Order: sequence, then C-alpha cells, then structure tokens
Amino acid sequence: NAGVMQNPRHLVRRRGQEARLRCSPMKGHSHVYWYRQLPEEGLKFMVYLQKENIIDESGMPKERFSAEFPKEGPSILRIQQVVRGDSAAYFCASSENAAKNIQYFGAGTRLSVL
Amino acid sequence: AQTVTQSQPEMSVQEAETVTLSCTYDTSESDYYLFWYKQPPSRQMILVIRQEAYKQQNATENRFSVNFQKAAKSFSLKISDSQLGDAAMYFCAYRSARGSGYALNFGKGTSLLVTP
Repeated sequence: NAGVMQNPRHLVRRRGQEARLRCSPMKGHSHVYWYRQLPEEGLKFMVYLQKENIIDESGMPKERFSAEFPKEGPSILRIQQVVRGDSAAYFCASSENAAKNIQYFGAGTRLSVL
Repeated sequence: AQTVTQSQPEMSVQEAETVTLSCTYDTSESDYYLFWYKQPPSRQMILVIRQEAYKQQNATENRFSVNFQKAAKSFSLKISDSQLGDAAMYFCAYRSARGSGYALNFGKGTSLLVTP
C-alpha cells in the first residue's frame, strides 16, 4: 500500500512564476491536508479538503494560494506569482476520514523561489 | 487557537540511554488528541505515538512512551534504549476533537542527537 505521494520533491521557480504542488493520498483516503514548514519552524496548517470540497482553509494566505482536490486525480496546491517568502517545504497529509484522527504525511515538496 | 510549546530546541543522548523530550500545550478544550511526529533528515514526517485526552493511561509504542499530565497540560516523550536511527527532529502536535478543527497544531520541534 503506497503511502502519501507528493511531487515534485524539489521545485525551483523564479519570482512571478506559478508553482503547482501535487499530492496523491493513501489508497482509500479521501481527506487531504496541506501544511507549510518554514526553516527552523514546525508545520503550519494551510487547508483541509475532501473530494471536491474545501472544508477548512483558515490557514491559507488570502491571495495567490489555492487548493483543490478533484473527484479524479491528485490534490493540487497552487501558488501564483511566487515571491521569495513562499520558499518553504510543503507537506501533504491524508486520512481515511475525519474521525480517523491519524494523518499520514508525504515526504514534502521543497519550493525554492529565486 | 491552541499553542504547542517545545522548550528544548536541541537534546543529546548516548546510544542505549534514555531521553525525555518535553511538550506543553494551551487549550480550553477537554477532548483532544496529542501526537509526537519524527522528522529524520529525509524530511518524511513519521508518526511516533498518539494519545487521546480522555484516556488516563499513557500511550506506549515499543521503546517510545509518553507522560501525559492533563491538568498540567504536559505531554512528554520518553525514548528508551536510544538508537542511532532515533536521531531526528521531533514535533509535538495537538488536534481538537471537535467540529471541523482537524488541523494539527505543531510545536517548533526538538532536534535529537544520538551519540555512539
């Protein structure tokens, strides 16, 4: 049973470009969570999605950031017009359902903005 | 919002010895979950152990155990018989058991060094 798959592992973008981060949850999991980890910091919650629905986006910056989890395919975290401050590791986690409180994490995508 | 504090940025332990990592949290809720995650150099976040607040018994997983003090809002992790592979960042996390608040709130982490 494959774990949570994130790609790419590393992503380099120039200021003003768009970044797309992908997350395929564990098989049988329909709940996805995105977190951001800045250097020397713990992970910070960004958004929680179920298939085709955003449940909680209280941690998402108001501009340039969006997330989706379509009926088919991986969840996507999209950052438009990236700035240097967006450089971080972005982690995706999945769970079987909301009541199953264990979140399993992917290996993360490290975004570097030049 | 719940706050999770890990007051030890770095800890060191000798192989085969025991080490305790501390974690405190601030909440007004009575029902919640607590977790310890390990992040080795590969950056993969690995669940070490979890505790349900309504359970008085401390959780254990092989060499890993917790000391959960609900009244003191303390949740420390004890690693027994430390191994070189235990070297990693350790993060304490809190999760509400209510409503749609399923986000994990993480502390800033403790870097554990294991020496031969």
